[in-house]
Amino acid sequence: QSALTQPRSVSGSPGQSVTISCTGTSSDVGRYNYVSWYQQYPGKAPKVMIHDVSKRPSGVPDRFSGSKSGNTASLTISGLQAEDEADYYCCSYAGSPWVFGGGTKLTVL
Amino acid sequence: EVQLLESGGGLVPPGGSLRLSCAASGFSFSSFAMTWVRQAPGKGLEWVSTLNYIGGDTYYADSVRGRFTISRDNSRNTLYLQMSSLRAEDTALYYCAKHDGANLGSHFDYWGQGTLVTVSS
Repeated sequence: QSALTQPRSVSGSPGQSVTISCTGTSSDVGRYNYVSWYQQYPGKAPKVMIHDVSKRPSGVPDRFSGSKSGNTASLTISGLQAEDEADYYCCSYAGSPWVFGGGTKLTVL
Repeated sequence: EVQLLESGGGLVPPGGSLRLSCAASGFSFSSFAMTWVRQAPGKGLEWVSTLNYIGGDTYYADSVRGRFTISRDNSRNTLYLQMSSLRAEDTALYYCAKHDGANLGSHFDYWGQGTLVTVSS
């Protein structure tokens, strides 16, 4: 049950695009299309932004998108806004059954 | 409106026990898998345990297997986490999370606000 690998931090200016990667193995990210992404503000509960690799829940801006290639999933945020500054966690079903990434702090410059 | 309200956290000495509860409302509790996720102070999210919608299949992280027991009472719309042989490294905010369906692969669509467990002498 090793954690998925995410960059510790990423940054971008308002209006730009950023991509956060999430690398797992052939037992989790590579095997299942059950990758989800969660946004967390300090002191708040996580909120799902993307599920099943690329599906966006109702109410999540279409600036958020997800994809997967092999053992690596990605979250892309386009048209960055100040309110996007938060921690982001990827999560994959692994049959065991779940594993999270270590989290990425997104800073909007 | 879906609501998940955790309770039962507190300060407990190493080796002690604690039972967390998660009271659910606003959805058909018995139709969904449920999960506990924890977050140590200043750290990331860690999956702890999952229970299927009926309550017959349980899953645990290696770090808690044999010490924690997840259960549910569908008549009371409540999820539980019985924690024993607690260690300092179990100190965390414990979140209750609802799955999007009965399928264990479904994502977590609602989260509670968490209950804090502190293991210290």
